[in-house]
Amino acid sequence: DTAVSQTPKYLVTQMGNDKSIKCEQNLGHDTMYWYKQDSKKFLKIMFSYNNKELIINETVPNRFSPKSPDKAHLNLHINSLELGDSAVYFCASSPYSEKLFFGSGTQLSVL
Amino acid sequence: AQSVSQHNHHVILSEAASLELGCNYSYGGTVNLFWYVQYPGQHLQLLLKYFSGDPLVKGIKGFEAEFIKSKFSFNLRKPSVQWSDTAEYFCAVMLSGTYKYIFGTGTRLKVLA
Repeated sequence: DTAVSQTPKYLVTQMGNDKSIKCEQNLGHDTMYWYKQDSKKFLKIMFSYNNKELIINETVPNRFSPKSPDKAHLNLHINSLELGDSAVYFCASSPYSEKLFFGSGTQLSVL
Repeated sequence: AQSVSQHNHHVILSEAASLELGCNYSYGGTVNLFWYVQYPGQHLQLLLKYFSGDPLVKGIKGFEAEFIKSKFSFNLRKPSVQWSDTAEYFCAVMLSGTYKYIFGTGTRLKVLA
């Protein structure tokens, strides 16, 4: 079974649309993350939740809204998509202070 | 602000050559240090980590890294690379007492057969 799973794997959409990416982990970790990897492979932290509470909220446009219905799930909703949102979005989970377990990524293309 | 620098953006080596990738961080407190690898089309996987103790840590696939506290560095090494090591390598720092992992900009390694 996949430890950290993200859906969809690919997402192609028009500018201005609203889309969601889902993430689930079956590792029992308390902490989950969203990272954005741009075309130059730079990984930037966006959000982190610990036991359903938001603990890290980097300088991300408020068009991005994370939601954690329970500690095994962390979803990312993006409103009014822009060209610059095109990237690969990685979900990750971690037991505190330990390594990150990454999902396989969602490649978002905004046309 | 805290940051992680990887000075080598692109590295091209022939098989059997030795590898050293630099990583420096700027943070005065205690850190946990990691190297991750991302093979083409895949997600990031842990190569090795340092939390405390022996500053020379060994990871998977023959990789090792040395933590030099005075230089704020955590360089990755491998004595003899293989074609299958072609990948993107990321250094990461976790600030102790926080949940925050900061990644370097990555080094793209290409190993020629």
